[in-house]
Amino acid sequence: EIVMTQSPATLSVSPGERATLSCRASQSVSSNLAWYQQKPGQAPRLLIYGASTRATGIPARFSGSGSGTEFTLTISSLQSEDFAVYYCQQYNNWPPLTFGQGTKLEIK
Amino acid sequence: QVTLRESGPALVKPTQTLTLTCTFSGFSLSTSGMCVSWIRQPPGKALEWLALIDWDDDKYYSTSLKTRLTISKDTSKNQVVLTMTNMDPVDTATYYCARILYSSGWVFDYWGQGTLVTVSS
Repeated sequence: EIVMTQSPATLSVSPGERATLSCRASQSVSSNLAWYQQKPGQAPRLLIYGASTRATGIPARFSGSGSGTEFTLTISSLQSEDFAVYYCQQYNNWPPLTFGQGTKLEIK
Repeated sequence: QVTLRESGPALVKPTQTLTLTCTFSGFSLSTSGMCVSWIRQPPGKALEWLALIDWDDDKYYSTSLKTRLTISKDTSKNQVVLTMTNMDPVDTATYYCARILYSSGWVFDYWGQGTLVTVSS
């Protein structure tokens, strides 16, 4: 089973600043990596797939990069609605499909 | 417009079997490339993938839970059913169903709102 590890667990950033979230896979997942955003009381929302492709309707301030075992989600200029929990998910080698433990992005 | 909605009991007793239904619209599970999956999330914790069924009726399960899970579909009703046997308090979680469109990879592009299941005597 591929283990996904996200860091940091909590990230405090001011509105308007850049946020960088990391996700590491225990073995290579190629570019088969997705990112999701989850707000309190809501279902997750797909942001990025294929490591760097934005899903439909996702603003350009969200970008993904990386391949193999190291991945990054960058939010270029944080808006108030971006403060949430973010999860990465690998789909290169499954079952099982596996998620990271999440990074909580909070207002500084 | 794609929508999914989970339904099932809010409370189950330990050792009972949980049956959840995902009713969806806006797509057909008989269309090549379509899949529906179940994911759960214990309160305050991370997402955990449970099971997936595809357009060809192939079924895939979590390694750790496969002995307890069964997924099935009723294409005519646009429904996917998940059963989980021998429920335990640690299975308390919000259970989500989600769609996968294989052409985008095995990612969940639409989600239901989730249903909270509490396991308690």
